[in-house]
Amino acid sequence: NAGVMQNPRHLVRRRGQEARLRCSPMKGHSHVYWYRQLPEEGLKFMVYLQKENIIDESGMPKERFSAEFPKEGPSILRIQQVVRGDSAAYFCASSPRDEDPYTGELFFGEGSRLTVL
Amino acid sequence: KQEVTQIPAALSVPEGENLVLNCSFTDSAIYNLQWFRQDPGKGLTSLLLIQSSQREQTSGRLNASLDKSSGRSTLYIAASQPGDSATYLCAFRGGYNKLIFGAGTRLAVHP
Repeated sequence: NAGVMQNPRHLVRRRGQEARLRCSPMKGHSHVYWYRQLPEEGLKFMVYLQKENIIDESGMPKERFSAEFPKEGPSILRIQQVVRGDSAAYFCASSPRDEDPYTGELFFGEGSRLTVL
Repeated sequence: KQEVTQIPAALSVPEGENLVLNCSFTDSAIYNLQWFRQDPGKGLTSLLLIQSSQREQTSGRLNASLDKSSGRSTLYIAASQPGDSATYLCAFRGGYNKLIFGAGTRLAVHP
């Protein structure tokens, strides 16, 4: 049972380009969370999704950022018109379908490190 | 607004010492608390998960306790080793379906 898979592991973009980060949860997991870790800072919640639904996006910047978790395929975090301040590590976590989303354990991927030039 | 504070921010110790890392949270409505380890440039590895109904969890040389009334959790590392060097993060799950992280404790264990 593979862990949470994120790709790409490293991504370099120039200002104004788009970044797409992908997350495949662990098998049997249907809850996906995205977190951002800025340099020398802790992890900050961005968005919580279930299949085809955004449950909580209270941590997402209002502009340029979007997330989806389609019925088939990985979850995607999309950042449009990137700026230097978007440079960070973006982590995805998943938890099992049958577990209570309030108490289930979260399993994290290795992260995608975005560098904006 | 939930806040999670970890003390100390950094710790450097010789090999073999027993360590205590502290985590405090402001919201008493806790569902669970999870301790993670993060190595430089890597992802998070879950160490221990304590549900609100539990008082402690143990795994090998690690023991984590939870005191809801005082809003504190401690991670105890016995007989520390250089391989324990990493950043340790505690994460609180309160009245929201997401984890709130502390800034972490950077641990260096030297031979």
